[in-house]
Amino acid sequence: DGGITQSPKYLFRKEGQNVTLSCEQNLNHDAMYWYRQDPGQGLRLIYYSQIVNDFQKGDIAEGYSVSREKKESFPLTVTSAQKNPTAFYLCASSIIGAGGRTGELFFGEGSRLTVL
Amino acid sequence: QKEVEQDPGPLSVPEGAIVSLNCTYSNSAFQYFMWYRQYSRKGPELLMYTYSSGNKEDGRFTAQVDKSSKYISLFIRDSQPSDSATYLCAMSAGAGTALIFGKGTTLSVSS
Repeated sequence: DGGITQSPKYLFRKEGQNVTLSCEQNLNHDAMYWYRQDPGQGLRLIYYSQIVNDFQKGDIAEGYSVSREKKESFPLTVTSAQKNPTAFYLCASSIIGAGGRTGELFFGEGSRLTVL
Repeated sequence: QKEVEQDPGPLSVPEGAIVSLNCTYSNSAFQYFMWYRQYSRKGPELLMYTYSSGNKEDGRFTAQVDKSSKYISLFIRDSQPSDSATYLCAMSAGAGTALIFGKGTTLSVSS
């Protein structure tokens, strides 16, 4: 089945540690995104990428880093510089251009990170 | 003023009720309007997609867009306990532009 796979589903981290969240898609989508979701805050864009080896900062990129070495993969690293990393992280992908509905995002199941 | 405003609720209704969920927005360039449904601890899934103004119906769900008032709505008829979820409105100005989300409304339907 085509879709987006995020791992791990739950992750605990000690303060001061970096952690990497995995996101893989087999939808052949060009664009991939990382969102953070906090209670009452909605979805906030961290980073996005429209092509391999290129990515742009979203609204809350500080303390996060990404890479896009393959079209299928867009891992997110939450660094120790992120002041308040406990949150629900969502990866998404979309088509660019013809063949899909403009703006439609397909989401993974999310990764819940808790910093102890 | 935020680009997209959505009342977070929570909204509690009895089974069978008609539910109305709403968002307002400020950017007149938005043309593509979506409603996502998100169950607890899951990723959002697309529920309704509308381009420009008008109504769209899909089973018990109806999406309305009024661009003149910058107002979109999602109606759920004959609500069921399985409709209990958070509903997020989202909108975009077009290809290559960001999808902007509302904060989501949490709905609870009791049997």
